[in-house]
Amino acid sequence: KQEVTQIPAALSVPEGENLVLNCSFTDSAIYNLQWFRQDPGKGLTSLLLIQSSQREQTSGRLNASLDKSSGRSTLYIAASQPGDSATYLCAVRPDNAGNMLTFGGGTRLMVKP
Amino acid sequence: DAGVIQSPRHEVTEMGQEVTLRCKPISGHDYLFWYRQTMMRGLELLIYFNNNVPIDDSGMPEDRFSAKMPNASFSTLKIQPSEPRDSAVYFCASSLTGGSVSGELFFGEGSRLTVL
Repeated sequence: KQEVTQIPAALSVPEGENLVLNCSFTDSAIYNLQWFRQDPGKGLTSLLLIQSSQREQTSGRLNASLDKSSGRSTLYIAASQPGDSATYLCAVRPDNAGNMLTFGGGTRLMVKP
Repeated sequence: DAGVIQSPRHEVTEMGQEVTLRCKPISGHDYLFWYRQTMMRGLELLIYFNNNVPIDDSGMPEDRFSAKMPNASFSTLKIQPSEPRDSAVYFCASSLTGGSVSGELFFGEGSRLTVL
């Protein structure tokens, strides 16, 4: 059974800092991995989708990498801003489970001005 | 496109009452998912549909929960009778297979259910 873990569970950083959020998964047979952002009381917003054949994806100040063999993905946020404060979740889509995603528990990020 | 649309956004009801949550997926998407989110258990997949057909409902907690998708633009999740432990945020999400963004999941804003 696929398990997805995100460490740390919570992170507080000063504005302007570059930071890395980690996501690890136990079964490397994945179809893709997706990073989401969730603001309090809101739904999940898709940030980046990495297919299993890709190593990384970039969008603005965000860069997500994928290392299937080691079961890891990182989300890099450059020059963090208070508006980046939210919970970040990663989710993997297994090869053999249709469209069922397995979510990590999320990292709650606070960027202090 | 307006994205995935859910209603109601908030529902407060008493134990034993029937609750119906509604979802309109993104037009053209062929997969629809119902998730439940709680502090204790995080995000749990309840059921998903492909082309309006239920594919996997193994996440539905009990027979009190049922879901339907009568057409490509509408789905419901029903709880009857509701219990306090059903209190959670229920999310609907949709995705499109094929192409370079195959499997990217888009979520609605959620329906926050409180059962007293």
